[in-house]
Amino acid sequence: KQEVTQIPAALSVPEGENLVLNCSFTDSAIYNLQWFRQDPGKGLTSLLLIQSSQREQTSGRLNASLDKSSGRSTLYIAASQPGDSATYLCAVTPMRISGTYKYIFGTGTRLKVLA
Amino acid sequence: GAVVSQHPSRVICKSGTSVKIECRSLDFQATTMFWYRQFPKKSLMLMATSNEGSKATYEQGVEKDKFLINHASLTLSTLTVTSAHPEDSSFYICSARDPLQAGGYNEQFFGPGTRLTVL
Repeated sequence: KQEVTQIPAALSVPEGENLVLNCSFTDSAIYNLQWFRQDPGKGLTSLLLIQSSQREQTSGRLNASLDKSSGRSTLYIAASQPGDSATYLCAVTPMRISGTYKYIFGTGTRLKVLA
Repeated sequence: GAVVSQHPSRVICKSGTSVKIECRSLDFQATTMFWYRQFPKKSLMLMATSNEGSKATYEQGVEKDKFLINHASLTLSTLTVTSAHPEDSSFYICSARDPLQAGGYNEQFFGPGTRLTVL
């Protein structure tokens, strides 16, 4: 059974710091991995999607890497800003459950960037 | 990009009543939609996979008679919480998959969520 874990569960940093959020999954057979942010009481905003054949994706100050063999992904946020404060979720699509394309979500990291 | 809407965004109901939540794909046809539930400060848990024209597939532990799912068209799936009780209070989020998305990225597009409060 695929399990997705995110470390740390919560993180508080001063503005301007570069930071790394971690996501690990137990079964390396995945179609893709996606990072989201969620603001309190709101829905999900997609940040980056990495296909299983890719190693990283970049968008602005965000860079996500994928190491499928070790079951890990990292989300790197450069020069953090107070507006980055949110909960960050990673999700994987398991390959072994063919035809369903379901997402399995991680436990989330609550980020607070202090001004 | 692909847009998914949900209605209502917020609903408060009395215990014992039924509540219907709609999920629509606005600019693409979705053969598959997904319903998730999220408790406060927790992650999203998949409840069921909704397939157009066929019965939904429920995850283990989700009561199919409690959470009725109908996917009658390629752009609309509905989740009905029957005989709602306070423990059903939660944030419900749907997502939709565009089977024609270029590159086969299998990306899901998420709705903004519906907050259900059962008194």
